[in-house]
Amino acid sequence: SQTIHQWPATLVQPVGSPLSLECTVEGTSNPNLYWYRQAAGRGLQLLFYSVGIGQISSEVPQNLSASRPQDRQFILSSKKLLLSDSGFYLCALVLDRAYTEAFFGQGTRLTVV
Amino acid sequence: EDKVVQSPLSLVVHEGDTVTLNCSYEVTNFRSLLWYKQEKKAPTFLFMLTSSGIEKKSGRLSSILDKKELFSILNITATQTGDSAIYLCAVEPGNQFYFGTGTSLTVIP
Repeated sequence: SQTIHQWPATLVQPVGSPLSLECTVEGTSNPNLYWYRQAAGRGLQLLFYSVGIGQISSEVPQNLSASRPQDRQFILSSKKLLLSDSGFYLCALVLDRAYTEAFFGQGTRLTVV
Repeated sequence: EDKVVQSPLSLVVHEGDTVTLNCSYEVTNFRSLLWYKQEKKAPTFLFMLTSSGIEKKSGRLSSILDKKELFSILNITATQTGDSAIYLCAVEPGNQFYFGTGTSLTVIP
């Protein structure tokens, strides 16, 4: 079965610093991959999704970018963090077939100070 | 613009109560609606609904979809403290999964 690895679990970064969050997948190939952000006690905001290597769709114009250099690797980046980038970041995958649920990693809690 | 709205935003009940959580949506090219439970970190999958009027059931949880009125409900009967969580509704119009704001449920003994 598929497994999603996200790290780090928690991160405290100063305003203006760069960011790189990595998500790697095991147990499946050619998944759709997603980055979500969750504010405290709120729903999930879709940031980026990818249907294949090098293919990134952005849902919300902002300070972040995403890349998919390998089939099972999805990276979320920022050159300069803002206070508003704080939140809980979740990586998710959907198997390459119709009518299947999204599986989530354990998330990274980012605090920008 | 695709939209998913959940209500209520939060709910506090006593153990043994029955709760109904609501999810309404507006999406183009609807394929499925999903319910998740989030306790601390990763949301865990509960149900996927694709057809109207067919109830999905798992223990004390059940859910149904109305594609004409564009909503779904999640029922939890005989609530327990372990049901305390954020319940998330998502719709899938193709490759994307759009989530609602979630309902925060607290069950007190």
